[in-house]
Amino acid sequence: GQQVMQIPQYQHVQEGEDFTTYCNSSTTLSNIQWYKQRPGGHPVFLIQLVKSGEVKKQKRLTFQFGEAKKNSSLHITATQTTDVGTYFCAGSYSGGGADGLTFGKGTHLIIQP
Amino acid sequence: DGGITQSPKYLFRKEGQNVTLSCEQNLNHDAMYWYRQDPGQGLRLIYYSQIVNDFQKGDIAEGYSVSREKKESFPLTVTSAQKNPTAFYLCASSGLAGGTQYFGPGTRLLVL
Repeated sequence: GQQVMQIPQYQHVQEGEDFTTYCNSSTTLSNIQWYKQRPGGHPVFLIQLVKSGEVKKQKRLTFQFGEAKKNSSLHITATQTTDVGTYFCAGSYSGGGADGLTFGKGTHLIIQP
Repeated sequence: DGGITQSPKYLFRKEGQNVTLSCEQNLNHDAMYWYRQDPGQGLRLIYYSQIVNDFQKGDIAEGYSVSREKKESFPLTVTSAQKNPTAFYLCASSGLAGGTQYFGPGTRLLVL
């Protein structure tokens, strides 16, 4: 089946440092979505990217969708303790995907004050 | 107040016992999903349903069963055949397959 690879699995940063997580698919995606799961919580939708080369920003978060629509990244500028959690990418594939989204394994962001 | 609810928040299972986890949504979504999450791990798809009275196995369906008799409800039964059921179970719904998924708060299942 389709797979979305996400790296790194864990990322330790000092508060104020930047953070980036990357996702890659072997086949072209219809769209890619990003979710955040706080410790002890459930995944919450952040954003969806649909167009080739699309870039979207939410305050300190920047989301990019690759030109080939096979990869995506989430970049957080100047991390804060509120950014702690696991960030998942989730891809949707054209012509299939009756099982919904294909989730990456997530990147756990750990922030040291 | 629209959303997706799961109950109970915590559930304890004895060896050899079947338990059922509830998932209800009032978002009028057609698609519903069950995921299992183990500590520090990602989401693994157990079962999904695109319409009422129809559901499909996901990647790790063995030891689980579901029903979809109503659009709003998608209960998951963890049977005694599931040998390692301790995990965090998440239910989600979406308007369309591939659309944004809205997650419930989850149920933590522990085996006594």
